[in-house]
Amino acid sequence: KAGVTQTPRYLIKTRGQQVTLSCSPISGHRSVSWYQQTPGQGLQFLFEYFSETQRNKGNFPGRFSGRQFSNSRSEMNVSTLELGDSALYLCASSLALTGAFNYGYTFGSGTRLTVV
Amino acid sequence: ILNVEQSPQSLHVQEGDSTNFTCSFPSSNFYALHWYRWETAKSPEALFVMTLNGDEKKKGRISATLNTKEGYSYLYIKGSQPEDSATYLCALNNDMRFGAGTRLTVKP
Repeated sequence: KAGVTQTPRYLIKTRGQQVTLSCSPISGHRSVSWYQQTPGQGLQFLFEYFSETQRNKGNFPGRFSGRQFSNSRSEMNVSTLELGDSALYLCASSLALTGAFNYGYTFGSGTRLTVV
Repeated sequence: ILNVEQSPQSLHVQEGDSTNFTCSFPSSNFYALHWYRWETAKSPEALFVMTLNGDEKKKGRISATLNTKEGYSYLYIKGSQPEDSATYLCALNNDMRFGAGTRLTVKP
């Protein structure tokens, strides 16, 4: 079966612009979570969507937002980009909402965003 | 937010050495713990889901144990190989917020 698909793989944007990243989960998975990884940092949790609703949110400013569609595909948007937003953005899908038992996440390959 | 701590931050071993590292977590309201391996230029890959106190899981040369009463899990690698070089991450099922990881480098 197809894995988690993230597009695009690489992106270069200018400070002040906005960007939208896309994540298509494994078929049947209803939860999509987003993470940011910056150099020297671990995976920082951004938010989780389940059944088109944001269920959990990490400690990121309001410039980071997301949404989930009825087919469980999710998008993440970052507005007014800053240099510090340069990072690898990973999404992960699972069958169940975090907190309920799940067999773990399946991660996508990530989108590497560079802000110049 | 449940703080998950991993130690050490990084580890360098020689090929053939056995090694282990730790994931510590709050022991109250424990549900399950997940271990992942993240190789450079790849996606994090699920290794184990640990649920019961005293659990021991094994996949090839990698195994993990769980102590929910004292709030820790160990990951062991027997006879490390260069292909084991990766960052090993753990997260609690409750919120799937990952620890900072242990970066393992195995030198040939």
